[in-house]
Amino acid sequence: EIVLTQSPGTLSLSPGERATLSCRASQSVSSSSLAWYQQKPGQAPRLLIYGASSRATGIPDRFSGSGSGTDFTLTISRLEPEDFAVYYCQQYGSSPRFTFGPGTKVDLK
Amino acid sequence: QVQLQESGPGLVKPSETLSLTCSVSGGSINRNSWNWIRQPPGKGLEWIGYIDYSGSTSYNPSLKSRVTMSLDTSKNEFSLKLSSVTAADTAVYYCAREEYDLGSLFFDYWGQGTLITVSS
Repeated sequence: EIVLTQSPGTLSLSPGERATLSCRASQSVSSSSLAWYQQKPGQAPRLLIYGASSRATGIPDRFSGSGSGTDFTLTISRLEPEDFAVYYCQQYGSSPRFTFGPGTKVDLK
Repeated sequence: QVQLQESGPGLVKPSETLSLTCSVSGGSINRNSWNWIRQPPGKGLEWIGYIDYSGSTSYNPSLKSRVTMSLDTSKNEFSLKLSSVTAADTAVYYCAREEYDLGSLFFDYWGQGTLITVSS
């Protein structure tokens, strides 16, 4: 089973700042298998990025994804007030078919 | 616009079977794969399993012995049964549509989630 680790656990930033979130896989994965989600309190997760770097429909271009192999990054270029949330990475593989990272919380400094 | 809506009992007694249904509107269940994902209070996301349009299933090995999923194309809905529940199964349960693009698999539409509490 591929295990995903996310860092930091919490990122405290101010609006307008740049956020860099890391997702590391326990073994090399295909870039096409990596996705990112945003979750706000009381809401379902929302797809942001798939295939490591493709933005989902309607996602602002301040969100970008990159990486390959075992190391992937979600970058929010300039934080807006609505971006403070928890972010999860997800990969698909053989068994189990999908796994999620533990999440990074981006909160207000 | 595809919409998913979970429905279920809210409270289940220990050792009993949890049953949930996800109703799909704005799209046909006769394509894509349909997934269940859960989230214990204050914790992260756990994939439970999927059923595809043909009725083929795949379950998380950690839950496989207790999970059954089914599809009702006439009602455009799919269901989850989780047997022998314990307090550890208390969670928000989400249904989600699996999509494929550019060689990638991901969840593009989610239900709002339903909290299931296991307690006597």
